[in-house]
Amino acid sequence: NAGVTQTPKFRVLKTGQSMTLLCAQDMNHEYMYWYRQDPGMGLRLIHYSVGEGTTAKGEVPDGYNVSRLKKQNFLLGLESAAPSQTSVYFCASTGARGKYFGAGTRLSVL
Amino acid sequence: GENVEQHPSTLSVQEGDSAVIKCTYSDSASNYFPWYKQELGKRPQLIIDIRSNVGEKKDQRIAVTLNKTAKHFSLHITETQPEDSAVYFCAASPGGVYNQGGKLIFGQGTELSVKP
Repeated sequence: NAGVTQTPKFRVLKTGQSMTLLCAQDMNHEYMYWYRQDPGMGLRLIHYSVGEGTTAKGEVPDGYNVSRLKKQNFLLGLESAAPSQTSVYFCASTGARGKYFGAGTRLSVL
Repeated sequence: GENVEQHPSTLSVQEGDSAVIKCTYSDSASNYFPWYKQELGKRPQLIIDIRSNVGEKKDQRIAVTLNKTAKHFSLHITETQPEDSAVYFCAASPGGVYNQGGKLIFGQGTELSVKP
């Protein structure tokens, strides 16, 4: 039982490049989330999903897209990266004991 | 929408002293309030949570209190130890654990430093 796994752990992009962050959970959780964490601002919700095939916008969805084609996977896409998207990204899923977070992806956009 | 304010942003205490972190929330419908601890470079980890039908909850050296009327909740750590040093985040859920997608709105975080 690996919990919530994020790949990659680190990535450097140039402005305008695209990439996809992958989140996988093996706990059979229905609900999954993508957060970004910036200094002094806590964690802010980007998008979330309440089940396979569903997605919804969070607090800061602009510039990101998501997909939940399989229950265990939640993908976060950046179509055209901007320096303002430099951040640490955390995926999470919700179970009976609360939210479980992945280890994070540190993304730098130059 | 829901807004959560957390204070202080930094807190320094001597080992063995108590530490208190306070949060206020705006949405009176919020009914689930977890606290997370995040060590440097690590993921947030749930340390304690409270639901709106309870005024206080305790787990060893950690306790959380909730005042629904005033819309604020607090984390209390007693007999602090150096390994308690971390960033602590409070959060509120507008619809509880599962309602409204189980969304959490986080406070800005408190960096706790426990000096030996």
